[in-house]
Amino acid sequence: GENVEQHPSTLSVQEGDSAVIKCTYSDSASNYFPWYKQELGKRPQLIIDIRSNVGEKKDQRIAVTLNKTAKHFSLHITETQPEDSAVYFCAARYGNKLVFGAGTILRVKS
Amino acid sequence: GAVVSQHPSWVICKSGTSVKIECRSLDFQATTMFWYRQFPKQSLMLMATSNEGSKATYEQGVEKDKFLINHASLTLSTLTVTSAHPEDSSFYICSASWQGNSPLHFGNGTRLTVT
Repeated sequence: GENVEQHPSTLSVQEGDSAVIKCTYSDSASNYFPWYKQELGKRPQLIIDIRSNVGEKKDQRIAVTLNKTAKHFSLHITETQPEDSAVYFCAARYGNKLVFGAGTILRVKS
Repeated sequence: GAVVSQHPSWVICKSGTSVKIECRSLDFQATTMFWYRQFPKQSLMLMATSNEGSKATYEQGVEKDKFLINHASLTLSTLTVTSAHPEDSSFYICSASWQGNSPLHFGNGTRLTVT
């Protein structure tokens, strides 16, 4: 069925360190994988996405990698800052709908 | 571009009453909109897919007679929570994309509290 698993559920890093969040999906037909950042009480904001014809995508301090064979994708945040603290959700597109992972609470300690 | 507006941002209602939430795509036409529900400290769970001019498609376990969806135009979808109960208290968020393969953008969400 449609499933997205996300790990870890919480992640604490020191300011300046890197953070990595990993997700796996179940349907090899999925072709679109976005990452959203959600601050408390606010809507999810798209921060980066990747399509299945690309293995890696980078936008400043944020990068996403995709391994289609293993059906997993990861979010990498380098040089973390306190304002990166939030809940991060991965998602995979199944047909015309997005299925979300359980979320990762990222805490960046200054 | 791709702005999605949702109204109201919060609502408090009494048990047994109905609440309507509106979702508008402001600068694009959306033939499909999606309604999600998010309980505290949990993920976004898809409730239903709203299709312009036709019936909504509900996810398993979501009562279609309780959560009425109307998508009467290419820029407006509404979700009505009927006979609301305290367990319906949640954060309801709509979303849309300007075309099938483009990123999904979310409305601001509606915090529903049923007393």
